[in-house]
Amino acid sequence: DGGITQSPKYLFRKEGQNVTLSCEQNLNHDAMYWYRQDPGQGLRLIYYSQIVNDFQKGDIAEGYSVSREKKESFPLTVTSAQKNPTAFYLCASSRPGQPVGKLFFGSGTQLSVL
Amino acid sequence: AQKVTQAQTEISVVEKEDVTLDCVYETRDTTYYLFWYKQPPSGELVFLIRRNSFDEQNEISGRYSWNFQKSTSSFNFTITASQVVDSAVYFCALRPASGGSYIPTFGRGTSLIVHP
Repeated sequence: DGGITQSPKYLFRKEGQNVTLSCEQNLNHDAMYWYRQDPGQGLRLIYYSQIVNDFQKGDIAEGYSVSREKKESFPLTVTSAQKNPTAFYLCASSRPGQPVGKLFFGSGTQLSVL
Repeated sequence: AQKVTQAQTEISVVEKEDVTLDCVYETRDTTYYLFWYKQPPSGELVFLIRRNSFDEQNEISGRYSWNFQKSTSSFNFTITASQVVDSAVYFCALRPASGGSYIPTFGRGTSLIVHP
């Protein structure tokens, strides 16, 4: 079955540590996105990539980094510069005409600080 | 700039009640798309509907219906005869139809709790 796989489901970060969240899709979608979800805050865009080897900052990119070396993979690194990383992180993908703008989401990673 | 407002943070109903989730948006674009997504407790958002700004027909799908009113910039979602399985967080989203990065803007979500 095609879909988006996020791992791990739960992740704990120690002070000063960088952690990487995995996002893999087998939908052959060009565009991929990372959102952060905090209670009562909705979804806020961290980074997005519309094509391999290219990505753009979203609304809250500070303290995060990404790479897009392969079409199917879009890992997110939460760096030590992100002072409040505790949140639910969602990865999504889309393809033009699917219908237009429809996003497919993974099941998320809950990141907590130890 | 785009903005999506879901003023209802949480709604609690008893099974079989009808419930309406409100969505109000702001945009300078003349053409755009509106969406509703459902996030059950499992965490994964699921697409429910997309509506074009130039199509103001209301839509019904089973117990779900959507009322799009361009004059009031609203795209409300009604669940008829709610069921416990409808318990979830529902998000409204807006995306420009042309230009820009085509990135959707999400509202803060409405948590719907349906009690048996």
